[in-house]
Amino acid sequence: GQQVMQIPQYQHVQEGEDFTTYCNSSTTLSNIQWYKQRPGGHPVFLIQLVKSGEVKKQKRLTFQFGEAKKNSSLHITATQTTDVGTYFCAGPGNDYKLSFGAGTTVTVRA
Amino acid sequence: ETGVTQTPRHLVMGMTNKKSLKCEQHLGHNAMYWYKQSAKKPLELMFVYSLEERVENNSVPSRFSPECPNSSHLFLHLHTLQPEDSALYLCASSQEGFLNYGYTFGSGTRLTVV
Repeated sequence: GQQVMQIPQYQHVQEGEDFTTYCNSSTTLSNIQWYKQRPGGHPVFLIQLVKSGEVKKQKRLTFQFGEAKKNSSLHITATQTTDVGTYFCAGPGNDYKLSFGAGTTVTVRA
Repeated sequence: ETGVTQTPRHLVMGMTNKKSLKCEQHLGHNAMYWYKQSAKKPLELMFVYSLEERVENNSVPSRFSPECPNSSHLFLHLHTLQPEDSALYLCASSQEGFLNYGYTFGSGTRLTVV
């Protein structure tokens, strides 16, 4: 079945620095979604990418969908303490149910 | 509030107890899901209901029993659980179609089995 893998599993970032987390699928995806879960919270939908090579921005967050629609990335610039949490990517399987990656857990050093 | 409400928020139960988790969505979605989230583990899909019909049961032990009486409500009945069942149980809903439009998760029920 379809698998979605994320790297790195943990990201420790100095406040103000940039970082990128990556998502890779074993199969071509019709779309890719990103979610954020704050510590003690629940996953919250951030964005969906549909088109090959698509790039979307939300303030300091930049999401990209690969040309082959098998990978995606999330880039955060000027990391802030509010960026702490776990970021999940998810892609629909053949039956259109979402398959979630294991997530990248981000901590920030002030 | 996210539009998906889960109760209770916290639950402590003994291994011989019977309890139920409740989920209600106010978004008009036609699909609802139960996920289990254990510490340092990926989200595990447990059950999927589409148009009130169960369409997925991911090899979940029979001590977990879902119920979906209508498109807005979802229950997870628990009985004779094990300590390893302690986890965050998340309910989600979505509007099923050719493209998923994102899941809306509830705040979850933090379950501790003692």
